[in-house]
Amino acid sequence: DAGVTQSPTHLIKTRGQQVTLRCSPKSGHDTVSWYQQALGQGPQFIFQYYEEEERQRGNFPDRFSGHQFPNYSSELNVNALLLGDSALYLCASSSSGAGPGYEQYFGPGTRLTVT
Amino acid sequence: AQSVTQLDSHVSVSEGTPVLLRCNYSSSYSPSLFWYVQHPNKGLQLLLKYTSAATLVKGINGFEAEFKKSETSFHLTKPSAHMSDAAEYFCVVSDLNDMRFGAGTRLTVKP
Repeated sequence: DAGVTQSPTHLIKTRGQQVTLRCSPKSGHDTVSWYQQALGQGPQFIFQYYEEEERQRGNFPDRFSGHQFPNYSSELNVNALLLGDSALYLCASSSSGAGPGYEQYFGPGTRLTVT
Repeated sequence: AQSVTQLDSHVSVSEGTPVLLRCNYSSSYSPSLFWYVQHPNKGLQLLLKYTSAATLVKGINGFEAEFKKSETSFHLTKPSAHMSDAAEYFCVVSDLNDMRFGAGTRLTVKP
């Protein structure tokens, strides 16, 4: 049973460009969340997708957008990249039926470097 | 609003000695609490979780944590550290709508 997978593993972009990161959830999971982890910090919640819609959103600008496909996989898009967007981007999946305090399963992350 | 404070940014222990990683939380509701571990260049792995059942929670790899509502704490412990325990540890507080991570505690294990 494959866990959460993310692609690519590493990415280097130039300031002002756009980037798309991809995530496939763990088998049986229908909810995908994205997190940004800056160097030396804990992950910060970007948004969560369920039933192909953004269900919750953290304190991130509109430059960060996402999508969920019918097979539950998800994309994170970041427009007009800034140097401060350099971080490890983590995808996590969970089951909507998991109940309170749902646990999330994390992928290995995509390391984005903006130069 | 909920928040998490990990009281130590770095903890160093000798192999075979006890581990204590401290976490305090703030939440308006009865929270769910988690500890995750992150090894270098790896994703986050769930160590254990508390969801209003037993206050002493046992996790993987010999770790356990005790939920103390009066102290709003959820400290992580292990009786005997192993070299493979060296990693970054995150305490997390969650309700249905939000998941907040602490800043992390880096655990170093000396031979």
